[in-house]
Amino acid sequence: QVQLQESGPGLVKPSGTLSLTCAVSGGSISNGNWWSWVRQPPGKGLEWIGEVYQGGTTNYSPSLKSRVAISIDESTNQFSLKLTSVSAADTAVYFCSRAGDDGRYFDYWGQGTLVAVSS
Amino acid sequence: QLVLTQSPSASASLGASVKLTCTLSSGHKTYAIAWHQQHPEKGPRYLMTLDRDGIHNKGDGIPDRFSGSSSGTERYLTISSLQSEDEADYYCQTWGTGTVVFGGGTKLTV
Repeated sequence: QVQLQESGPGLVKPSGTLSLTCAVSGGSISNGNWWSWVRQPPGKGLEWIGEVYQGGTTNYSPSLKSRVAISIDESTNQFSLKLTSVSAADTAVYFCSRAGDDGRYFDYWGQGTLVAVSS
Repeated sequence: QLVLTQSPSASASLGASVKLTCTLSSGHKTYAIAWHQQHPEKGPRYLMTLDRDGIHNKGDGIPDRFSGSSSGTERYLTISSLQSEDEADYYCQTWGTGTVVFGGGTKLTV
């Protein structure tokens, strides 16, 4: 069974860079799936941030595209998120997820990690 | 523009059935969607994928009480024999070329 685990700082200063990593176990990150980051501000719904594929191909949400970079490290079976110029509006629980074999439906999710933006 | 619309809330009694609706934007009635369940302070859990013909795929260990169907631009999640643990938020999700979209979520009260 595929498992995903997010890690990274829980507190980031305004105007700083948010950096998170997702460790994948129980399956290879190079197995032909897309890997995504999704966030959820407190008390709100889910928002897709972007995705990465083996080899490094990426797609990003238009609303975040100018500040986001997602990368993949196939040697360590991990993928990462960087979000620059953060503000309080970026405070959220951040989830990593795997898209299914034959569509971009998220069939596996991490438990999420809360990142607060505050001085 | 690819958009998913969900009612903010729904309620039903223990042991009863409930049908949640996710509506695709016009022009996108052939799109598949996925349903996810989320309990408070937990990560989402994948329930199933629905295309215009019905269930395409179901998540690991999802009980038969959870079923899905489609009609036009609407995708439905039906939960029968409601249990207290079914009280949760339910999100639909779809995708297009280089993009993924979530509905606003439905809070189900049992």
